[in-house]
Amino acid sequence: GAGVSQSPSNKVTEKGKDVELRCDPISGHTALYWYRQSLGQGLEFLIYFQGNSAPDKSGLPSDRFSAERTGGSVSTLTIQRTQQEDSAVYLCASSVQGSYGYTFGSGTRLTVV
Amino acid sequence: DAKTTQPPSMDCAEGRAANLPCNHSTISGNEYVYWYRQIHSQGPQYIIHGLKNNETNEMASLIITEDRKSSTLILPHATLRDTAVYYCIVRVASSGNTPLVFGKGTRLSVIA
Repeated sequence: GAGVSQSPSNKVTEKGKDVELRCDPISGHTALYWYRQSLGQGLEFLIYFQGNSAPDKSGLPSDRFSAERTGGSVSTLTIQRTQQEDSAVYLCASSVQGSYGYTFGSGTRLTVV
Repeated sequence: DAKTTQPPSMDCAEGRAANLPCNHSTISGNEYVYWYRQIHSQGPQYIIHGLKNNETNEMASLIITEDRKSSTLILPHATLRDTAVYYCIVRVASSGNTPLVFGKGTRLSVIA
């Protein structure tokens, strides 16, 4: 596609449930990043993937968060046993290796009730 | 990566130039200045970047001082659609794909 696609655009879940968020990067972009943005706050880095290298998980806030990237393309961010503080917009971006220009998706707004 | 300082908010009249400042006094010789913006309810969007020369593209101009300790992003004729949070980021270009670190940015409000 022409841009980074994220789904769902909105997700409401009950506290304690698991959720999966999907990111479809731009074809040919080898780097993929996940960020989250809580209401009124800045962007918080979570994890990034580069080609076949081991992902940089240094931003994941707890072991309830995990992500995978299959076939170097689509990525899924999984949050287990969701908590209310997980409520945020989760943003995915992709880029060509070594590029400065990230392309962001429109995000998934997660609300934990 | 060097730290940047931006004013939390600015106003600009529609049709006038918006000049957004950024201080990066600890910038090192191999660090570039990048600008992104985030319009409400959207993901951030790349605007422009530069090392030491002034840069211009279809979106904006970037003016970097000779000592490189500060820079200004200029939107020459601001429109209501330019209302957004603008992020100034300093980063070594050769740092591969290490993730961009976004600060709090400047919230620009363009007023009719």
